[in-house]
Amino acid sequence: DQQVKQNSPSLSVQEGRISILNCDYTNSMFDYFLWYKKYPAEGPTFLISISSIKDKNEDGRFTVFLNKSAKHLSLHIVPSQPGDSAVYFCAAEASGGSYIPTFGRGTSLIVHP
Amino acid sequence: GAGVSQSPSNKVTEKGKDVELRCDPISGHTALYWYRQSLGQGLEFLIYFQGNSAPDKSGLPSDRFSAERTGGSVSTLTIQRTQQEDSAVYLCASSLREGAGTFGSGTRLTVV
Repeated sequence: DQQVKQNSPSLSVQEGRISILNCDYTNSMFDYFLWYKKYPAEGPTFLISISSIKDKNEDGRFTVFLNKSAKHLSLHIVPSQPGDSAVYFCAAEASGGSYIPTFGRGTSLIVHP
Repeated sequence: GAGVSQSPSNKVTEKGKDVELRCDPISGHTALYWYRQSLGQGLEFLIYFQGNSAPDKSGLPSDRFSAERTGGSVSTLTIQRTQQEDSAVYLCASSLREGAGTFGSGTRLTVV
């Protein structure tokens, strides 16, 4: 049973518009969440994270929102750029547990000019 | 080095053969993780090393899989008697703090 779910396998967005990638989790022990970006033939690269004590974290064009009651987080990219085209993985971990991040299956984002 | 280095980058092996995959973490990183990504799947946790503690092997899919980390640095993932379902990209990550860190580029393993 997947504890971290990214229900949209792909997303297509026009350059300049907002990209919204969603992630749901089931384990209430998760208290730290991360987004990774992966280009083909490369390893995932850490993008942004959020602790459960916050509901928003912003870094430049990237903002992550956390809704603990809904066990839902989202990554907003605005404005989207063609170079953002990649697979985005959501990950979650429990600081009181094993610290082993659990990953979703990823969402492939395509930003077209 | 500046990043996590994995070798080989690609490996094609015959079914039934043993393979060894290597990971050189970032110097000083105490935590090291192995994941694998099968086609169309997410990152599946395999094994976790943290300092001198006993590794967490809870993600290893079968007893054909094993890993060691020598001197708290380099790690080797060994798959014995490879099967076609072992074909995947094997990713290693290391971190200073416990949690997801810096990934290598992975080893693409193909079992034919």
